Amino acid sequence: QVQLQESGPGLVKPSETLSLTCTVSGDSISGYYWSWIRQPAGMGLEWVGRAYPSGSILYNSSLKSRVTLSLDMSKNQFSLKMSSMTAADTAVYYCAREACRESSCYSWSYFPDSWGQGTLVTVSS
Amino acid sequence: QSVLTQPPSASGTPGQKVTISCSGSSSNIGSNYVYWYQQLPGTAPKLLIYRNNERPSGVPDRFSGSKSGTSASLAISGLRSEDEAEYYCAAWHDSLSSWAFGGGTKLTVL
Repeated sequence: QVQLQESGPGLVKPSETLSLTCTVSGDSISGYYWSWIRQPAGMGLEWVGRAYPSGSILYNSSLKSRVTLSLDMSKNQFSLKMSSMTAADTAVYYCAREACRESSCYSWSYFPDSWGQGTLVTVSS
Repeated sequence: QSVLTQPPSASGTPGQKVTISCSGSSSNIGSNYVYWYQQLPGTAPKLLIYRNNERPSGVPDRFSGSKSGTSASLAISGLRSEDEAEYYCAAWHDSLSSWAFGGGTKLTVL
């Protein structure tokens, strides 16, 4: 059974860059999409972006200018970098595996089926 | 403001059936599968329903999903106290090339 563990600083200063890592165990990151999804306290879910081992990467258009996603196949890790952090970016950040359960898989066939426990990131000076 | 629209709250008594709606558009629900997630307090979301109406192994058959046009529903029958949670719908949004989520529905078991 796949397990996802987010890691990174819990506190980031305004204007700084956030770096988070998702370490995947129990399965290879090959063959899946990997997403970051965040949730401000008491609010709903917001998709940040997704990456596939082939190099295909998509970002939420509202965050695209500040976000960079990457995969490290050798370490089985998935990373997020978000620049110019503000208080509005304070949230729990989840990494999620996107799997396909069809005979033929296309980018739209994948969906989040396993989530990490999440890591709280607070932006404050 | 969420792309998919859910009622903010729902409630029921033990044993009852509750239905949670999710409304979207032709760019998301109307052209793609709908997924449902359950988020218990203080935990990560958990996949409850995929491809409109399929349940992952381990999810009780008390949970069922349906879709019609640009709307979808999650039904929970035989309501139990442990079903008290936040429920989110999700669908891929074609024109935005992104995941769209509903704002969440907080289910209270009275």
